[in-house]
Formats: sequence, structure tokens, C-alpha cells
Amino acid sequence: GQNIDQPTEMTATEGAIVQINCTYQTSGFNGLFWYQQHAGEAPTFLSYNVLDGLEEKGRFSSFLSRSKGYSYLLLKELQMKDSASYLCAVIPSNTGKLIFGQGTTLQVKP
Amino acid sequence: DADVTQTPRNRITKTGKRIMLECSQTKGHDRMYWYRQDPGLGLRLIYYSFDVKDINKGEISDGYSVSRQAQAKFSLSLESAIPNQTALYFCATSDTASGGAVLEQFFGPGTRLTVL
Repeated sequence: GQNIDQPTEMTATEGAIVQINCTYQTSGFNGLFWYQQHAGEAPTFLSYNVLDGLEEKGRFSSFLSRSKGYSYLLLKELQMKDSASYLCAVIPSNTGKLIFGQGTTLQVKP
Repeated sequence: DADVTQTPRNRITKTGKRIMLECSQTKGHDRMYWYRQDPGLGLRLIYYSFDVKDINKGEISDGYSVSRQAQAKFSLSLESAIPNQTALYFCATSDTASGGAVLEQFFGPGTRLTVL
């Protein structure tokens, strides 16, 4: 079967750094996405990893270890607007179908 | 204008009613998807289509049907709605890349459906 695990909730302070972890066990692997979703809104694309290593994009970075079935999303210099759910999604095959984790709700406090 | 639109945005209906949710896109993408989102369960794939003549079941297709009327339109139907189909429904699209590369999905604003 396909299984993707993320923590349900996290809390962090404005200006700090937070790391959101994602572990996966899938029948195959063709890449991992991170999406951001504000309450009541559509998910929006943050990052895509298909090779091991760190991908940096401004305040957000995403890391992948395929051998460990592990990824994390790193958010630096947290802002109040970063309060949202962060969704990890894996593509098990080249069909393009995404399997989503349940999402991590991040609350940023002043 | 939004690239991926969904209608209606909110709908309340009764058990047993037939309902259709519509999705349109102006991105020119071949691939379209329907998901439902429930608290604590994340997004789950209902159906997906890679072109007008290609329709595939996702992980939770029972109780749903779809129609790909054109490249830009993909509708989801609930033939006889039941309360546990109350959820937030998202349509998404993605492009097709050469060499098998996977491209990100773009989501519509969602339809909040309540079945009484």
C-alpha cells in the first residue's frame, strides 16, 4: 500500500525556523511535492524534489532522501502569513497521480 | 481571471439527489483531476483524465462518475448523494512534459458540498 506520514500540528514563533517532516512508503517513487494550503483555499505549489538533496527557494527549502523515504520542508524567518497547512505528496509511478499525506497545520505565533 | 475555476463554490443538497460539480481550465493542460478533502484525511483522488478520451478511477471512485467534455472541462457527478460525501472538492490540472517528467498540479478554488 501507499503510506505518507506527517505531524498533524506544529507551532512556531514569528521569525524562527521550523522543519516539517514527511516520511513515505510507496510502491514506487517519481518525485515528492510540497504544497501550502491556507484555510478554505486551494493548495498552491511550493517545491518538487526527485533527486536526493536540498532544494532552496527563498525562505523555503525542501530536502529529500530517497533511501530513507524521508523529506522535510524548512521554513526560515517565519511570518504570520505562513500559518497554513503544508501538504506532502508523493508520485509513486510515472502516471502523475499524487498520493497526499494528511497535512501539517502550522500555527505561527507572535 | 482564474486559470482553474469550479462551479458551484458552495452547495447544499439532500440525500438521494443527483449533483454535478464542474471544472474549467484555461491553462491548456491535458491532465485533469478530481479530489475530495476531509479533515484529518488529506486530499484523496477520485478520478483523473489524461486527455478527452482517457478516464481513470482514483482511490475512492465509488459513488462518483466523471465526464471529460473537452480538454478544458471535467465534471464530477454524484448520482445519488449521501451524507458521507459531504466534503471539500478540488479540481486540479497539470501539463504533460516530454520524457516522462512530472509537473506540478494547479488547483481550483474548491467546492464545499454538504449532503443533508
